[in-house]
Amino acid sequence: DAGVIQSPRHEVTEMGQEVTLRCKPISGHDYLFWYRQTMMRGLELLIYFNNNVPIDDSGMPEDRFSAKMPNASFSTLKIQPSEPRDSAVYFCASSVTSGGAEQFFGPGTRLTVL
Amino acid sequence: AQKVTQAQTEISVVEKEDVTLDCVYETRDTTYYLFWYKQPPSGELVFLIRRNSFDEQNEISGRYSWNFQKSTSSFNFTITASQVVDSAVYFCALGEYGNKLVFGAGTILRVKS
Repeated sequence: DAGVIQSPRHEVTEMGQEVTLRCKPISGHDYLFWYRQTMMRGLELLIYFNNNVPIDDSGMPEDRFSAKMPNASFSTLKIQPSEPRDSAVYFCASSVTSGGAEQFFGPGTRLTVL
Repeated sequence: AQKVTQAQTEISVVEKEDVTLDCVYETRDTTYYLFWYKQPPSGELVFLIRRNSFDEQNEISGRYSWNFQKSTSSFNFTITASQVVDSAVYFCALGEYGNKLVFGAGTILRVKS
């Protein structure tokens, strides 16, 4: 079975541009999570979905960030407009429904905003 | 609030040494879950182990072992006879309601040959 798939793996863009990160969770997983990893702040949960519905978006830094999950096999994280401080590695993870289930992470997208 | 503390920022050992990575957690929940993840230099996050709060049995998997002690709110990870391939960042995490995880800051482990 394929793991969590993320694209692109690397993204370099200029300040002010729109960035869209994509994620395909593991088939059969009901939860999907978006994380951001930086040296300063470590691993931060941005938002998570259960059965395609956003449950907690309290970690989304500001209105420039938005996430959608139109169906069980696809999610996007969009930054518009992007800023240099958004440079980070963005991970998508998925898990099954049972309480305390382990999350399986994608390879991450390394975003650089110039 | 839920919190995970990994006090060791970086550890360096020589190959074949044993090394223990510390993890201390805070929670008010009686049901919770603890995890360890490995992040090798390639960058992906690899799941290593999951424990629930009702199971304090220690676990061994090859060279890896985990010691869970509720009395001290600790979930420590020991690598026996370390190898260069064990060099990575190791994260301890605490599972909240709804599968949400809170991660510690991570411990960088460097194993030298």
